[in-house]
Amino acid sequence: DVVMTQSPLFLPVTLGQPASISCRSSQGLVFSDGNIYLNWFQQRPGQSPRRLIYKISERDSGVPDRFSGSGSGTDFTLKISRVEAEDVGTYYCMQGSQWPWTFGQGTKVQIK
Amino acid sequence: EVQLVESGGDLVQPGGSLRLSCAASGFTFGNSHMHWVRQAPGKGLESVSAISSSGGNTWYSNSVKGRFTISRDNSKNTLYLQMGSVRVEDTALYYCAREIKGDYDLWGQGTLVTVSS
Repeated sequence: DVVMTQSPLFLPVTLGQPASISCRSSQGLVFSDGNIYLNWFQQRPGQSPRRLIYKISERDSGVPDRFSGSGSGTDFTLKISRVEAEDVGTYYCMQGSQWPWTFGQGTKVQIK
Repeated sequence: EVQLVESGGDLVQPGGSLRLSCAASGFTFGNSHMHWVRQAPGKGLESVSAISSSGGNTWYSNSVKGRFTISRDNSKNTLYLQMGSVRVEDTALYYCAREIKGDYDLWGQGTLVTVSS
């Protein structure tokens, strides 16, 4: 199985300041169609996960543009340009290139 | 409204069986690959099983292979997960999710399965 490793696992942030979460895969994620299915999900407390970013950097509809994804190879990053109170929750990277699809451990974002 | 609604979660004894259901609405269910994803209390997410749009192909994680069976009834817009020989470590909130090529673009609210004697 592809192992997804996130860091940090806990991220205290100040409102209005940027935040960055790293995700590393144990192997390359290029699918047979040439795409890399590396995705980011947000899970607010008590809620189901919600897709934020797909295929490394494509933002889902309705996702604020303060969220951005980047990366290549086995290293990927989710950035929040200016953290808002509603961004509190746990963020997961996930690879959908190889079954079983696997998630990172999650990064808990809290306001300082 | 486009949504997925899970049901069937319950308290079950180790070694027992349970069937989960996921009712889909607001989209053409028969065109979508579907998955079950679980989350143990206070833990992360784990993809458990997947099924192709026609039901002809299924996939399982090693942790449930041979014990769980995924199926679907496209005439009823419903996804199922038959859980057998359950273990304490199967305790989790079980989500159904719609696949959109390498990704999940729609999630249900989850149904809780507790395995305990």
